[in-house]
Amino acid sequence: DIQMTQSPSSLSASVGDRVTITCRASQGISNSLAWYQQKPGKVPKLLIYAASTLPSGVPSRFSGSGSGTDFTLTISSLQPEDVATYYCQKYDTAPWTFGQGTKVEIK
Amino acid sequence: EVQLVQSGAEVKKPGESLRISCKGSGYTFTSYWINWVRQMPGKGLEWMGRIDPSDSYTNYSPSFRGRVTISVDKSISTAYLQWRSLEASDTAMYYCARHETIAARPVWFDPWGQGTLVTVSS
Repeated sequence: DIQMTQSPSSLSASVGDRVTITCRASQGISNSLAWYQQKPGKVPKLLIYAASTLPSGVPSRFSGSGSGTDFTLTISSLQPEDVATYYCQKYDTAPWTFGQGTKVEIK
Repeated sequence: EVQLVQSGAEVKKPGESLRISCKGSGYTFTSYWINWVRQMPGKGLEWMGRIDPSDSYTNYSPSFRGRVTISVDKSISTAYLQWRSLEASDTAMYYCARHETIAARPVWFDPWGQGTLVTVSS
């Protein structure tokens, strides 16, 4: 099965900083990658799909890129409401595996 | 509005059985798979398995096959996750999530239910 590895596992940044999270697939998955945001004590929410497409309502400071095995989630200007754990997920085929998560905190 | 509403929190003893539910509304229930995802305390998301409500076909993660059963009652737009004999290690939050489709191909999960907290303790 394809494994999904995120880095870093956690990060601390200041408000306004640019933040980048990486997700690597152990085999190519084309652009079949989603990102989810889970705020503390809340339900996971779809943030990005098809590696780079934002659903309606997601702030434009979030962006995604990548294809094949290497993907990134970028927050262009970190806001206090972005404190959350972010997960990538492959959806090319079963199993629909998640990365282990990246916890983002404010410094 | 598309919604998945899960049953309430449960406290059980080891060895007991349990079934939790996930009711879909605001869409044609049989047109989208339902997935179950586990989140142990302080840990990440783990895909457990999925069911196609139109024919009850299931896929399970190898990590959960044989430990849980996923079923559906399409007459009431409800999917279930069931344990025959709970263990303390089953203590977790369990989410159901609808499997979105693009051109009949299953893609990402959206939306998610609010979660059901299962606590197993003697």
